[in-house]
Amino acid sequence: QKEVEQDPGPLSVPEGAIVSLNCTYSNSAFQYFMWYRQYSRKGPELLMYTYSSGNKEDGRFTAQVDKSSKYISLFIRDSQPSDSATYLCAMSLGTPNDYKLSFGAGTTVTVRA
Amino acid sequence: NAGVTQTPKFQVLKTGQSMTLQCAQDMNHEYMSWYRQDPGMGLRLIHYSVGAGITDQGEVPNGYNVSRSTTEDFPLRLLSAAPSQTSVYFCASRGKPGRGGTEAFFGQGTRLTVV
Repeated sequence: QKEVEQDPGPLSVPEGAIVSLNCTYSNSAFQYFMWYRQYSRKGPELLMYTYSSGNKEDGRFTAQVDKSSKYISLFIRDSQPSDSATYLCAMSLGTPNDYKLSFGAGTTVTVRA
Repeated sequence: NAGVTQTPKFQVLKTGQSMTLQCAQDMNHEYMSWYRQDPGMGLRLIHYSVGAGITDQGEVPNGYNVSRSTTEDFPLRLLSAAPSQTSVYFCASRGKPGRGGTEAFFGQGTRLTVV
């Protein structure tokens, strides 16, 4: 079983729809949760991060962490064609000596105009 | 601001050939890593380094070597290319993590095909 599970999709939605992405994980020691966005033929770029449990909002994007369920989510409101990309969740222990990130497989999202 | 620079962007190798993928960062980051990305598999860690002179294996190290002689550079060597190494390779760097961690910056990737 992978440490981080993410449904690779693909996911296709009409413009303006809400996109819902999620990941589950098995390591209860993870404290730091990130979402990366990767456009086609580009490297991943950090979109949002949260520490421990709770919600974080940034414009049209909301990240949620439920540590009791080992489940994280990313919501994209009023989706735009420019949101078409692969979204990868990533996690780390967040301790001073921890450098490694554990990634999900990535979900490919297409927003249709 | 260059960030993380990878070269080459594309490469075709014949089975058994060797080559080096270059990675350089200008952010003075301690941590550098190499990933490969395959469809449905996500990013898998090949090797990583926590500083000059220090390297260690990741999840899929076989067939690859690395060295870290300077903070800036972290080359990845394919010793004897195999078709199974056809993939997209990403180099990433990250600063010293504290409570909560820090962002990882990725290069643009190297698309490698082994025939």
